[in-house]
Amino acid sequence: SQQGEEDPQALSIQEGENATMNCSYKTSINNLQWYRQNSGRGLVHLILIRSNEREKHSGRLRVTLDTSKKSSSLLITASRAADTASYFCASRDMRFGAGTRLTVKP
Amino acid sequence: DVKVTQSSRYLVKRTGEKVFLECVQDMDHENMFWYRQDPGLGLRLIYFSYDVKMKEKGDIPEGYSVSREKKERFSLILESASTNQTSMYLCASSLAIPGHAGGSPLHFGNGTRLTVT
Repeated sequence: SQQGEEDPQALSIQEGENATMNCSYKTSINNLQWYRQNSGRGLVHLILIRSNEREKHSGRLRVTLDTSKKSSSLLITASRAADTASYFCASRDMRFGAGTRLTVKP
Repeated sequence: DVKVTQSSRYLVKRTGEKVFLECVQDMDHENMFWYRQDPGLGLRLIYFSYDVKMKEKGDIPEGYSVSREKKERFSLILESASTNQTSMYLCASSLAIPGHAGGSPLHFGNGTRLTVT
């Protein structure tokens, strides 16, 4: 079973633009995590947002959580070529979706 | 920083061989996980362990087994490798169970790309 489903599957933007990725999940959660994966490597944790939080920031990253809609979004502001990667969300039971593949063109 | 080390970056094995994938973490984490990642399918949970000598099946345990004799080491075993087990295998650990209240995130190794011919 997949708890986190990311949308869109792929996103291509120019450097300097903002990138928004969405995550939907199916059951109630205690927290939701966002991860990043560079090509051929392991995943790296970005942000964990708890169910009683609505928004969380880390540098150029902003995560929102809407538990009534069972959805979360990850915003990357002022994107850089180095942000090119796949982004995943995970909620209960450590299940992941297929990810959003972000390409940032220089 | 937590370090999760997977013993091999690339591995090529023959059909029918018994394959051991090793994972070691250095932060005294209770919880360890094995995933496989295939294009278009994302990460799928194979097995996880909340304590030494303890294991739980994930979504796709068939054809796999695990061993956790010591807290820091979690091994994935392919009993008789088959070509459909060709994949990227990712090990992870966490201090607290990620999805639980008070949970903490997963720390991943760099993966083992296994090819079964």
